[in-house]
Amino acid sequence: QFVLTQTPSVSGAPGQRVTISCTGTFSNLGAGQGVHWYQQVPGAAPKLLIYGNSHRPSGVPDRFSGSKSGTSASLTITGLQADDEADYYCQSYDTSLTGSVFGGGTKLTVL
Amino acid sequence: QIQLMQSGAEKKQPGASVKVSCKTSGYTFTSYGLAWVRQAPGRGLEWMAWISAFNGKTDYAQTVQGRVTVSTDTSTSTGYMELRSLRSDDTALYFCARSSHYYDHREGFDHWGQGTLVTVSS
Repeated sequence: QFVLTQTPSVSGAPGQRVTISCTGTFSNLGAGQGVHWYQQVPGAAPKLLIYGNSHRPSGVPDRFSGSKSGTSASLTITGLQADDEADYYCQSYDTSLTGSVFGGGTKLTVL
Repeated sequence: QIQLMQSGAEKKQPGASVKVSCKTSGYTFTSYGLAWVRQAPGRGLEWMAWISAFNGKTDYAQTVQGRVTVSTDTSTSTGYMELRSLRSDDTALYFCARSSHYYDHREGFDHWGQGTLVTVSS
């Protein structure tokens, strides 16, 4: 259903590191399109965490990092904190659909 | 500071139309674009449309093309999204978001409105 595929859920204990994956296809990530990551706390608007595969907007802690290789991308969160518990979405541009596309989202639970 | 303030919640009957506004402030409106993203209850994010505030260029998702129109009023730095022939599965929280460039929306959305709940029910 979603053009970009994300694992539905991931969990980790405070202080640990977690990685959230995003898998695309030849027409988006594989076509060299950048991937962007958002954090959404329930009831709030999404917040841009990473843009252009690995760049952090000002104000985003360096605990959050992103990478991309081929048709896959990942968001890594180190030093997990309780308020990192949220939904995380990847987003890119699809050259076949000629539009932006989102992943289905990954729910992060901090144990 | 950069702000995107959306209009209030709407309740519509099936078949009707809805127009949501997004008033921006804190930046040069015509130097960026505006995207519209919706989120059905308990579901993920769905990109719907984008418009360049510089030249009015638009892109629409295939899932809503033909039913949605986005526009801007540069005199008031406001964007609009109109969705027609509403169905129950259009019930969602609708967000406007600023794109990082005026010429396309390939670089993500860096500031978001608070969302407007549109409920479609008879």
